[in-house]
Amino acid sequence: AQSVTQLDSQVPVFEEAPVELRCNYSSSVSVYLFWYVQYPNQGLQLLLKYLSGSTLVKGINGFEAEFNKSQTSFHLRKPSVHISDTAEYFCAVSVRAGTALIFGKGTTLSVSS
Amino acid sequence: DTAVSQTPKYLVTQMGNDKSIKCEQNLGHDTMYWYKQDSKKFLKIMFSYNNKELIINETVPNRFSPKSPDKAHLNLHINSLELGDSAVYFCASRPSTATYEQYFGPGTRLTVT
Repeated sequence: AQSVTQLDSQVPVFEEAPVELRCNYSSSVSVYLFWYVQYPNQGLQLLLKYLSGSTLVKGINGFEAEFNKSQTSFHLRKPSVHISDTAEYFCAVSVRAGTALIFGKGTTLSVSS
Repeated sequence: DTAVSQTPKYLVTQMGNDKSIKCEQNLGHDTMYWYKQDSKKFLKIMFSYNNKELIINETVPNRFSPKSPDKAHLNLHINSLELGDSAVYFCASRPSTATYEQYFGPGTRLTVT
């Protein structure tokens, strides 16, 4: 069975600081990895995805993530955050096309001025 | 322009009642899902339909019954509502069983009193 662990439940940062949200996964087969963002009282929006190829993937809103197979990690980074990045961030995996996503428990990113 | 829509957005009802949540996607996608997000924001798959056929049915009480009248619609009917059913329910869709990422609706916040 697959599982996803988001190592930090809350990450408070100041505006314009860099941020890293950590995600580790467990799977005996190859996985496909995703980061979703949920703004307050809204649905989930896809930030970025890793399916194959380059291990560094770039997403929307200046976010990027790096797939590290040996460490089974897919950490999300942004070099300079904005107040508007305050949201809940979810890491998710899928083991093959068509299957449901398995989500981590989420990380609350709080950006203050 | 709404891709995945859900109605209602908020639903407050009493224990023992029966209620339905509707989901529609105008993306032409083949596969649709229902996820439940609990009070701790944990997201878990409930059901999945592909071209009106049930393909995923997780361990969910049989008080929950999904219905897909056509591939653009996936409704969720809940009988005999309980306090523990209070959650946010998200509908999602995926282009086909050959693809990976999912597109989420805005969610329906169900409160059972």
